[in-house]
Amino acid sequence: NAGVTQTPKFQVLKTGQSMTLQCAQDMNHEYMSWYRQDPGMGLRLIHYSVGAGITDQGEVPNGYNVSRSTTEDFPLRLLSAAPSQTSVYFCASSYSIGANTGELFFGEGSRLTVL
Amino acid sequence: SQKIEQNSEALNIQEGKTATLTCNYTNYSPAYLQWYRQDPGRGPVFLLLIRENEKEKRKERLKVTFDTTLKQSLFHITASQPADSATYLCAPTSGSARQLTFGSGTQLTVLP
Repeated sequence: NAGVTQTPKFQVLKTGQSMTLQCAQDMNHEYMSWYRQDPGMGLRLIHYSVGAGITDQGEVPNGYNVSRSTTEDFPLRLLSAAPSQTSVYFCASSYSIGANTGELFFGEGSRLTVL
Repeated sequence: SQKIEQNSEALNIQEGKTATLTCNYTNYSPAYLQWYRQDPGRGPVFLLLIRENEKEKRKERLKVTFDTTLKQSLFHITASQPADSATYLCAPTSGSARQLTFGSGTQLTVLP
């Protein structure tokens, strides 16, 4: 199994550009989420989804958009990139958050630089 | 608001010694607590989950305790090895939560 796959691994954008970070999982997990990780700030939740068609905001949702049309995919869209969005982005999935087996499986990360 | 604190940003210990990492939380009562390991340039990897009714849990050289009175979890690595060098993250979580919130992590370096 591939687990959680993120693309691209690296991306450089100019301020104002838009782009989509892709995330796919092959574990049939209902729960998927996006985090950003910045030095000294730890992992912060951007958006999450508990199933196809259901999404909700996390701690830092502004400037990002998500949708969940299938169980497997959970893309993260940057609408108009800003330098403050320079970060490493992680996608994670779980069988069921909040349950006894709510461990998260993370992708390898997407490093984004906004100039 | 919920707050999670992990002890000192960096911890250096000598190979063979026991490393002890601390995770303190305030303003909520998690039903369980997870620990993850993160290597540079990689995503976090799940290590252990301990429930509020479990005082201690072990996995090979790892031991985790969960003290709901002190609102603290301790993560121990016995007989530490240089390969244990990584950042360790804790995530205390309530049973009904739909969000997993992480501490900022402790960077452990095991010196040969």
